[in-house]
Amino acid sequence: AQSVTQLGSHVSVSEGALVLLRCNYSSSVPPYLFWYVQYPNQGLQLLLKYTTGATLVKGINGFEAEFKKSETSFHLTKPSAHMSDAAEYFCADPTGGGNKLTFGTGTQLKVEL
Amino acid sequence: DSGVTQTPKHLITATGQRVTLRCSPRSGDLSVYWYQQSLDQGLQFLIQYYNGEERAKGNILERFSAQQFPDLHSELNLSSLELGDSALYFCASRGDGSGNTIYFGEGSWLTVV
Repeated sequence: AQSVTQLGSHVSVSEGALVLLRCNYSSSVPPYLFWYVQYPNQGLQLLLKYTTGATLVKGINGFEAEFKKSETSFHLTKPSAHMSDAAEYFCADPTGGGNKLTFGTGTQLKVEL
Repeated sequence: DSGVTQTPKHLITATGQRVTLRCSPRSGDLSVYWYQQSLDQGLQFLIQYYNGEERAKGNILERFSAQQFPDLHSELNLSSLELGDSALYFCASRGDGSGNTIYFGEGSWLTVV
């Protein structure tokens, strides 16, 4: 079964600095991978989606993720962090019947002045 | 706005009680998913329905049940509530042509006291 692993439960960056949130998938190449964001006291919002064949995926709010088969990674990046980016970020992949999503453990992003 | 509507947004109830959470999926989406988010368990898939039929089952307790009605709305019933059931319950929906993208509602906060 497919699964994703998020490294680092908490990441802290300065405003304007690069954001890098890590996600690794299991060995088999998934047909889809997702990043979702959860702002405080809100639901999950889709940031971006990888589909087979893509390498660099652009999402909302300036985020993008690069699919690297050689590293089994799908890390999320943003060149310049903004205070409004403070949230929890989840990597997810479809697993099993019904195409349900299995989520990573999440990474809490803190942006400091 | 994802188009997925959940009610109630907040609910406080006593141990041993029963509650019903309601979800209206995005217009036309046949698949409905229920997830539980808690501090200790993270985001856990509970159950999925497709056009009224149960499609996949995850870590759903026997005290919990769900159904999807002909108008495609879904309800999650939680009974004999325990303190540990306190969590954020998400409903999500997916359209057949959405390329596995699942859209989440804002969630229902359940507090069991």
